[in-house]
Amino acid sequence: QSALTQPASVSGSPGQSITISCTGTSRDVGGYDYVSWYQQHPGKAPKLIIYDVNSRPSGVSNRFSGSKSGNTASLTISGLQAEDEGDYYCTSFTGSRTLYVFGTGTKVTVL
Amino acid sequence: EIQLLESGGGLVQPGGSLRLSCAASGFTFSNYAMGWVRQAPGRGLDWVSSIRNSGANTYYADSVMGRFTISRDNSKNTVSLLMNGLRAEDTAIYFCAKYLECSSNCYRAFDIWGQGTLVTVSS
Repeated sequence: QSALTQPASVSGSPGQSITISCTGTSRDVGGYDYVSWYQQHPGKAPKLIIYDVNSRPSGVSNRFSGSKSGNTASLTISGLQAEDEGDYYCTSFTGSRTLYVFGTGTKVTVL
Repeated sequence: EIQLLESGGGLVQPGGSLRLSCAASGFTFSNYAMGWVRQAPGRGLDWVSSIRNSGANTYYADSVMGRFTISRDNSKNTVSLLMNGLRAEDTAIYFCAKYLECSSNCYRAFDIWGQGTLVTVSS
């Protein structure tokens, strides 16, 4: 199972919106509505911010939103804030014996 | 408060073995699938293994299949990862993580993570 493809880096100014893509195949992203997104700050554990393509856990800002079209999922961060800087990873359920696959990760920089 | 606390990491020689443990608290452990995710220094997240809430089903990444074994003890609220035949490329921080509640799928996403334990494989 190959890793899902994400852009290495995305940047934006405070207040702007940015979108991170996550491209897989019909065997993972395209085949199931179980895409999730994680935010990770340096030296910290990942934090779940989106699950089931577009659901937010309790306590996660509504500035984070998710979507999916075909084999590509997307995470949009609206009203970019300095605290949004960090690494972001998508994941997908695969339904195979190798159950789960992560994306390559995207570093978000707030200019 | 829901908590996951990993232990067992350390320095091990290539070919050696190590057993990681994760102690869970603050939730009904036997109701949730659990998993391990690792992160090599300066690299991205890499799913390693998962286990169903009952322990009846286990899953592994191709890179660890046949070398790692995941297990759980629902009476002690612990999940373990036995790692044999360790290689330099297994060097990473290993995170224990809890899945969301089972609805249509027990493996939708990891909602709670531990702080991780470092495994270094080197001679």
